[in-house]
Order: sequence, then structure tokens, then C-alpha cells
Amino acid sequence: DAGVTQSPTHLIKTRGQHVTLRCSPISGHKSVSWYQQVLGQGPQFIFQYYEKEERGRGNFPDRFSARQFPNYSSELNVNALLLGDSALYLCASSLQGLNTGELFFGEGSRLTVL
Amino acid sequence: DAKTTQPPSMDCAEGRAANLPCNHSTISGNEYVYWYRQIHSQGPQYIIHGLKNNETNEMASLIITEDRKSSTLILPHATLRDTAVYYCIVGSGGSNYKLTFGKGTLLTVNP
Repeated sequence: DAGVTQSPTHLIKTRGQHVTLRCSPISGHKSVSWYQQVLGQGPQFIFQYYEKEERGRGNFPDRFSARQFPNYSSELNVNALLLGDSALYLCASSLQGLNTGELFFGEGSRLTVL
Repeated sequence: DAKTTQPPSMDCAEGRAANLPCNHSTISGNEYVYWYRQIHSQGPQYIIHGLKNNETNEMASLIITEDRKSSTLILPHATLRDTAVYYCIVGSGGSNYKLTFGKGTLLTVNP
């Protein structure tokens, strides 16, 4: 079975631009979460979606937005990119949140902002 | 969410047991202890989780003290492929829950 897939794997943008990152969860998983991991730090929670509704939001500015589609795939959008947005963006899926304790992470999208 | 404290780094010899400690003295009664690891340049990988009883699966064992203020992740026979950053996370689970990662412990398994 395919795991969580993310695209693109690497991308370079300049300050002020916009980026869209995509995530396909494991088949049957209805919950998708997004995390940002800056070099040397642990991942930081950005959003969680379950059944296409936002269920949680971390401490990120409104430049960050996301949505979940009827097929449970998800997009993370970041507007007006700053140098500090350079990070690994991780998507995770789960069957129904953390009731089973397990999130399945993708390999991430590495964003570099110049 | 309760905070966790982990040593920044540990070493272990290949084939020996790796014991990774975690302090979570402010854990509340309904909070679980989760362990994840992240091998360089990969996404985090779930290892194990528990509430108050000790847990074991094919990857590791989790020992939680009776007062639940600390826990130990045990990799019984560490291999070079177990070299990774190990994160101990405390949270309440449920469908709306997020994981709050700290900096974790870098475990280096040496030949």
C-alpha cells in the first residue's frame, strides 16, 4: 500500500511569492495534519483536517492556509513567503486522529525561500 | 500539553539495548506518552505509545513509572539503522489532537 505522498519534494521560491504543497493520505485515512520543521528543531503543528473540516490550528500567521478535498487529499498554501518560511513541511495522516496513537508521516516537501 | 525533557544525545553499541529516558512530571491523568523517531531526511515514524501500563511491540518496549512522571523507551537490540532523533511526546489523544514535538534525543548506534 502507498504511504503518505507529498509533492513537490523540493522547491525554491523567492520572498513574497506564494507556494502550494500537496499531500495524499494513506487510503482510508480521513485525518490530515501539516507540520513545519525548521532545521535543528522538532516538527511544529500547523493544521489538522478531519472529514474536510479544520479541527486544529497551530500558532502560525494567516499567511498559512490549508484545505482538504473530498478524496481526503490536502493542500497547504503559504502566501507572501518570508525567509523564515524555509523549512521541511510534513504531512501526516491517520485513521481518526490520535485514538490509535499513530500518525503516518510523508517524506516532506523541502521549501527554500531566497 | 505537558512538557517533556530528554537528553540531547546518547550513544549505544550495536547489538546492545538502547534505553532512552524521558521526564514528563506535569503529565495529567488522561495524557498518553508517545514515542516517534526521525531518521535523517525522512518523516517521523511512530514507535509506540502508552497510558500507564508498560507496552511492547515489534519495534520497542515502553516502560512508564508508576507515578507516570517519567518513561523509558527500550530498543532491545540496537542496529546501525536505529540511529535517529527520538521524540517523547505527551498528549491527550482523540480526533482533534496535535503532537507537540520537542528537540528529542539523537541516538547514535556505533559499530
